[in-house]
Amino acid sequence: GAVVSQHPSWVICKSGTSVKIECRSLDFQATTMFWYRQFPKQSLMLMATSNEGSKATYEQGVEKDKFLINHASLTLSTLTVTSAHPEDSSFYICSAFPSGGAEKLFFGSGTQLSVL
Amino acid sequence: QQQVKQSPQSLIVQKGGIPIINCAYENTAFDYFPWYQQFPGKGPALLIAIRPDVSEKKEGRFTISFNKSAKQFSLHIMDSQPGDSATYFCAEGSLERKNNAGNMLTFGGGTRLMVKP
Repeated sequence: GAVVSQHPSWVICKSGTSVKIECRSLDFQATTMFWYRQFPKQSLMLMATSNEGSKATYEQGVEKDKFLINHASLTLSTLTVTSAHPEDSSFYICSAFPSGGAEKLFFGSGTQLSVL
Repeated sequence: QQQVKQSPQSLIVQKGGIPIINCAYENTAFDYFPWYQQFPGKGPALLIAIRPDVSEKKEGRFTISFNKSAKQFSLHIMDSQPGDSATYFCAEGSLERKNNAGNMLTFGGGTRLMVKP
């Protein structure tokens, strides 16, 4: 099946630094990718929809200047957490489905961010 | 954002038992109802999905029952095994993508399942 690769799988950073997370579709093209955030023992909450070649669409309450999304190619979207603070510590997950449309939404393996 | 109510929040069964997880949705415009399995520290993986024109779908030990009039759907795991211990999420969404944007899936709150040996 299709594979979505997410990197890194975990990252620890100091407060005030920026962290970039990559999401790649390995064997299909994705014009749209989704970024989710998940706190411990909670559900996945959509943060933003990443569109190739255009600006991302952010969900209500998500700061676009805080969480920068770049979808520069049909196989890569990046999420940059700028000036990270401890409250940004969370599990970040990306997902994508083939451009032609599919019944399966493929998820990355997630990135655990810990901000000290 | 959460428009899919999932219950129970946690569930413990003995090996061989049949855990049942229920979800209730509100938006009848959606036409895609998947279940995802998530292990700690991993992303969700699609388990099984159903369309509203079908009342039941079975794949291996996993069965979805869909009640369109009640706007409810449930996951049954037959002959459960300790390896099935995970968090399960139901979701609702649309297979139709509009303008290449929009949230395709809205997730339920999740159910932590533990299958005891």
